[in-house]
Amino acid sequence: EAGVAQSPRYKIIEKRQSVAFWCNPISGHATLYWYQQILGQGPKLLIQFQNNGVVDDSQLPKDRFSAERLKGVDSTLKIQPAKLEDSAVYLCASRPPRQNTEAFFGQGTRLTVV
Amino acid sequence: GNSVTQMEGPVTLSEEAFLTINCTYTATGYPSLFWYVQYPGEGLQLLLKATKADDKGSNKGFEATYRKETTSFHLEKGSVQVSDSAVYFCALSTTGTASKLTFGTGTRLQVTL
Repeated sequence: EAGVAQSPRYKIIEKRQSVAFWCNPISGHATLYWYQQILGQGPKLLIQFQNNGVVDDSQLPKDRFSAERLKGVDSTLKIQPAKLEDSAVYLCASRPPRQNTEAFFGQGTRLTVV
Repeated sequence: GNSVTQMEGPVTLSEEAFLTINCTYTATGYPSLFWYVQYPGEGLQLLLKATKADDKGSNKGFEATYRKETTSFHLEKGSVQVSDSAVYFCALSTTGTASKLTFGTGTRLQVTL
């Protein structure tokens, strides 16, 4: 079974530029999460999708971050414009539609804003 | 709301030492509990899980028991190896198919020869 795919693995941009990350979850997984992990901290949930609907985006900075999950499969997370404090690893995870199961994580995208 | 509190690291141990990483949680209802591990340069991997009170999760010599009375899920290993050096995250998940997954801040473990 293929895992969660994320791209790119690394990205360096200047502040005020825009960037987009892509995630392809495991086939059949209804739930998709985007987390931000700042160095030395635990993952912080940015947005959670159930199929193609948003379940929770309460911690997403909506003035600069946006995310979509078209057709309930792939997802993109965009930052525009980026700030220095957005430097972090962005993790995508997916979860099957069963109770008490774990989430499966991609390898993440490391973003550096200079 | 739901939250997870982990002991702060880093934890430095000699090889073959006993490991305990404390984790306590706050949640409504009956969450599932997880330990994830993150090796350098890699994503998070599930280490073990427990889905109800008194369940013990185990994997690769690691164990954790779901203690509802103390709202804890402490990670233990009897004899650590250098290869166990990583960051360990405790997490909880609420019930339901669209359940939320909340992480602790992580504990870095360094094992030396």
